[in-house]
Amino acid sequence: AQSVAQPEDQVNVAEGNPLTVKCTYSVSGNPYLFWYVQYPNRGLQFLLKYITGDNLVKGSYGFEAEFNKSQTSFHLKKPSALVSDSALYFCAVRDILGNEKLTFGTGTRLTIIP
Amino acid sequence: DTGVSQDPRHKITKRGQNVTFRCDPISEHNRLYWYRQTLGQGPEFLTYFQNEAQLEKSRLLSDRFSAERPKGSFSTLEIQRTEQGDSAMYLCASSSVVNSGNTIYFGEGSWLTVV
Repeated sequence: AQSVAQPEDQVNVAEGNPLTVKCTYSVSGNPYLFWYVQYPNRGLQFLLKYITGDNLVKGSYGFEAEFNKSQTSFHLKKPSALVSDSALYFCAVRDILGNEKLTFGTGTRLTIIP
Repeated sequence: DTGVSQDPRHKITKRGQNVTFRCDPISEHNRLYWYRQTLGQGPEFLTYFQNEAQLEKSRLLSDRFSAERPKGSFSTLEIQRTEQGDSAMYLCASSSVVNSGNTIYFGEGSWLTVV
């Protein structure tokens, strides 16, 4: 079975400060890891993914994430937060050797304070 | 390049009625997925097609739910005899190993409210 934990329901960050949204995962084999962002009443937008290779992955809108196999984590980061980054963020995992199903966390609401 | 398209975006229906949602995936994406998202939760997997073949179904997909992808392009998700617990956003997504490198792209979702 595969699972994702996003331990923080809500993260508040001042504009211009660095931000981190935490994610830990569990899979039987090796993971494919994803971050998506959701704005109110909208679908999910793809931000970035880790498939293989460099542990630091860069994505859209200046976001990046670091894959840490020993800690089974894939935290989302951005050096300088913008008010427009305020949204709901979802981490998702898929087992490379498993089925096609993505398993999502429960989401973290990020609020950037002007 | 257009994204995943879903129709209708919003549907209000009375309990017991049938509803159908349509999804048009990104062109040349051979994999198509349906997910359901309720308030305060992450999306939950419902079913998955590769071309026209339905390869996996979640236990969440009761016998009142049926999904089809008859020609390997667009897909429909039908809910029969709707119940209030079916109220959710239904998300369609598509991917292609060749064209999207295992990235799954989502549509804007179809909101269902059962009254």
